Amino acid sequence: DGGITQSPKYLFRKEGQNVTLSCEQNLNHDAMYWYRQDPGQGLRLIYYSQIVNDFQKGDIAEGYSVSREKKESFPLTVTSAQKNPTAFYLCASRPGDYGYTFGSGTRLTVV
Amino acid sequence: AQTVTQSQPEMSVQEAETVTLSCTYDTSENNYYLFWYKQPPSRQMILVIRQEAYKQQNATENRFSVNFQKAAKSFSLKISDSQLGDTAMYFCAFINLAGYALNFGKGTSLLVTP
Repeated sequence: DGGITQSPKYLFRKEGQNVTLSCEQNLNHDAMYWYRQDPGQGLRLIYYSQIVNDFQKGDIAEGYSVSREKKESFPLTVTSAQKNPTAFYLCASRPGDYGYTFGSGTRLTVV
Repeated sequence: AQTVTQSQPEMSVQEAETVTLSCTYDTSENNYYLFWYKQPPSRQMILVIRQEAYKQQNATENRFSVNFQKAAKSFSLKISDSQLGDTAMYFCAFINLAGYALNFGKGTSLLVTP
């Protein structure tokens, strides 16, 4: 079945560590997105990529980095510069018709 | 910048009743898309309904329908015959035709009670 796979489902990070969240899609979608979800804040855009080897900062990119070396993959790295990384992270992809397909999310907790 | 406002942080409705969730948005564009997404306790985001701004007819998907008022920039979601499985967070979202990403509201938490 086609879809988006995010892993891991739960991730724990120690202070000062970088961690990478995986996002893989087999939908052949060009555009991919990372959103952060906090209680009462809705979904805020971190990074997006409309094509391989190209990506753009969203509204809250500070402390995060991404790569897009393959169409299927759009990993997100949460760096030590992100001071408040505890949140739920959602990856999404989009064909051309403006509707998103979402992954099941990764819950990141700082310990 | 476009903004999406959901003015009801929490709502509740009894099973089999009808409930309406509000959403307003701000844009200077004429052509755009609007969406309602559902996020149940599993946290999986599910597309409920979609509306193209150029269509005057309100979108309907089974028990879910919208009231799209373009001039007022309003896009409310009506859930008829509410079911316990409708308990979830509901997010309104917006994108211009030339836009690069969806803008989401902060969500409305809907609780359906027996």
